[in-house]
Order: sequence, then C-alpha cells, then structure tokens
Amino acid sequence: DSGVTQTPKHLITATGQRVTLRCSPRSGDLSVYWYQQSLDQGLQFLIQYYNGEERAKGNILERFSAQQFPDLHSELNLSSLELGDSALYFCASSVGTGVGYEQYFGPGTRLTVT
Amino acid sequence: AQTVTQSQPEMSVQEAETVTLSCTYDTSENNYYLFWYKQPPSRQMILVIRQEAYKQQNATENRFSVNFQKAAKSFSLKISDSQLGDTAMYFCAFMKHMNRDDKIIFGKGTRLHILP
Repeated sequence: DSGVTQTPKHLITATGQRVTLRCSPRSGDLSVYWYQQSLDQGLQFLIQYYNGEERAKGNILERFSAQQFPDLHSELNLSSLELGDSALYFCASSVGTGVGYEQYFGPGTRLTVT
Repeated sequence: AQTVTQSQPEMSVQEAETVTLSCTYDTSENNYYLFWYKQPPSRQMILVIRQEAYKQQNATENRFSVNFQKAAKSFSLKISDSQLGDTAMYFCAFMKHMNRDDKIIFGKGTRLHILP
C-alpha cells in the first residue's frame, strides 16, 4: 500500500459523459501527478500540481482538467468522453519537486467508456 | 525531447534464474534520474530501483541491480534468483533533474514471466 488513494476503482460510462476521478496523496506529500495508461499510448504524464498550483502539463487533452484543493487532494475531470479515453488513470504523489523525489502511485481508476 | 526505449516486449525465464531487462534512453541532459517500475497483475505501480545520473556506482536493491552506462545511455535491470512474484510488467523511466516539472517518461514496458 503506497498510501495514495484513488476513487473510484472502476468507472463505466457512456460516450459524451463527464466523470471526476479523485486522488488523496500520502500524508505530507505536496505534489500530485496524473498519468494515463492505455494499450496504444502506454503510460503518459498528464499533469502535475504542487501545493495547489499547476506545475506542469503533459499530453492532457483540452477536454480534461484537474485541480488540487487546499487539503491537497486532487481531482481529474474528464468531459465529452470518447471511446479512446478508456484507460487506467493513475495518481501519484511525492513530498516535493525538482530533485527526483520518489513518486508513489495509487492503485489507479479504470475508466471504461462504452 | 527525452525518449525511453525498451527493446524486449516480452521475456520468460525459469524460477531461480537471472534475467536482464534492457533499456536505452535519449537525452541531452547531464543530470537526471532513472527508474525501474514494476507493475504486477494487480496493476499497482511499484518502484523497484532508482539511479541518479551523477552517481557512477550502480544502484542495488536486494536481488535487483542495474547496469548504468551513462555514455551509452543504457540502463539495464538485472534480477537475480528470480521468483514467481517477479512476474510483472517492468517499465524503465526517466526524469529530469531540477526541472520545473517532475514528469516521468516511461518506456513501453517489458512483460516478464517467471516460470515454475
């Protein structure tokens, strides 16, 4: 158990819908990362937050957005869902940023778009 | 842009044997971090081992060790005395040092089967 929690574990929804994935980092961690793992694209970095502020963006679609709240939990919002958005979405957290701190991964949320 | 290449999509070895997973990467950075992550059937991502590019000594963690060749941009993982529980997908990964972001760039993975 990494100490990072993600809810829900599984999510099945239809095309065009909107979903919210939630992540609670390890106690004391200030950085939160979101990654997408799909069969065709592999594991890809989506976005990073550090202490409530967006730090970096990766291959995140405009239909996707995220935020980190004052209590440091984070939410990833996916809208206008397409079949290709079906993937495993990981949240990771680390204590800081910039010097290769270990990122601890949550168990992931499996999203299935039908 | 940084890239990570794992040339072995799948490997199988007998239990108790030693296996080496290959990884090469491309970067113009001098300081960076390299990782091997394990993803068992449970899908949990688990850090196996970490190497800092400025350290010449190869990292080791129990049965896991790396062969880090900075000039060749090679970072292979050796698993000694392999166990059934080592069956998993293994990802080689790269992170810049002191960058604005800490994004990890992953390779496509090597699926490792440990056979009884």
